[in-house]
Formats: sequence, C-alpha cells, structure tokens
Amino acid sequence: EIVLTQSPGTLSLSPGERATLSCRASQSVSSSYLAWYQQKPGQAPRLLIYGASSRATGIPDRFSGSGSGTDFTLTISRLEPEDFAVYYCQQYGSSPPRTFGQGTKLEIK
Amino acid sequence: EVQLVQSGAEVKKPGESLKISCKGSGYSFTSYWIGWVRQMPGKGLEWMGIIYPGDSDTRYSPSFQGQVTISADKSISTAYLQWSSLKASDTAMYYCAKHRDSGSYYRAFDIWGQGTMVTVSS
Repeated sequence: EIVLTQSPGTLSLSPGERATLSCRASQSVSSSYLAWYQQKPGQAPRLLIYGASSRATGIPDRFSGSGSGTDFTLTISRLEPEDFAVYYCQQYGSSPPRTFGQGTKLEIK
Repeated sequence: EVQLVQSGAEVKKPGESLKISCKGSGYSFTSYWIGWVRQMPGKGLEWMGIIYPGDSDTRYSPSFQGQVTISADKSISTAYLQWSSLKASDTAMYYCAKHRDSGSYYRAFDIWGQGTMVTVSS
C-alpha cells in the first residue's frame, strides 16, 4: 500500500498570498497518477488536479500541480477567500487501495 | 448534467443491516468505474473500493474487504454499498464518486455524490 504524507498539516495564509502544499509518497506513483481534491465544510470533495499537473474542468488557473515519482506539490498562486478549505492528495496508479493523504487545512491568517 | 445522487441519511442500531445507494445520470453509467469513499467524523478520506457497472468487476481496499459489499444495478444506473451487520465504528459520511474517463481503471474521481451520513448507535 502506498502511503501519502501531506505537509504541512495546517497552513495559515492571507488572501492574495501564495500557497504551497506538499504530498510525499512512500513509493513511486506510477505514471504520475496523482490527484488533488478540495473539500469545504459540509461539502463533497472536488477534483482540482489529475495526472499530477492537469487541471480539472472549470478549475481556475491559479491552481497548479507539479511533481513526479514520490514528491508532488499543489500551488495556489494568489489565494482567494473561497480557497480556504482542506486539500487532499490521492494516488490512483496502484492496485487497491487508491490511498488519500491525511489532508492539509488551509486557513485564513 | 452529470450527477450522482445518493440516498438519504440513515440511523441504525449495531448489528442491523443497511444498503445505501448512488444513482448516476447524464452519462453512460455502465462505462465508468464508480467508487465509495468513507469519511469518519472530523477525519480524512478513505478509499473503500470501486465497481465497473458494465460487468460488475469489483475491487476492494484490504481494509474494507469482507466488511462491506459493493454492487451495481445497471438497469437503473445505481451503485450500492451494503453492510450485513453494522458497528458503531461504521458511523461516517459515505461518498460515491465516478472515474474521470470511461473504461479506465487508473483514474481520479471527477464527480462526487452529495454523501450519505450513516449513524450507528444503540
């Protein structure tokens, strides 16, 4: 089973700042099959990034993903008020389970 | 519009059985893998398993194998998650979600249901 470790656990930033979230895998993620999701309180998760760097439909270009192998990053270039949420990475390139990271909470400073 | 609509919240007692549902619309239900994800109160996301409604091929996380059953009825475009004997530790929000591309096994979840809250308490 691939274990995904996200850091930091909580990130406190102000609107307009740049956010950098990390996701590290315990072994290489096949074919960069790594996704990022955003979850707001009381809502289902929303797909932001798939294939490590491709934005999902309707996702603003301030969201970008990068990385390969075991190290992946989600960057939000200029935080908007609606971006404060919990973010999860997920690998889907291995046999089940298709694990999620434990999440990073992005909070307003 | 592509949608997954889940059944409503459930309150059950330990030992009872339960089957919750996830109805797909706006796309070819039989051509996309659908998965189930658990979120315990205040916790993160846990991948439970997936099913391909076209042929009912099902894969489980080892953590959930034998604890739940995933099934689908393609005639009514509905996937199911069921328990034969609930435990208090099954209390959680359960989400269904579909894969982003048709037929592809290695894909992210692009459309999610609204979630079904299951509460198990004596």
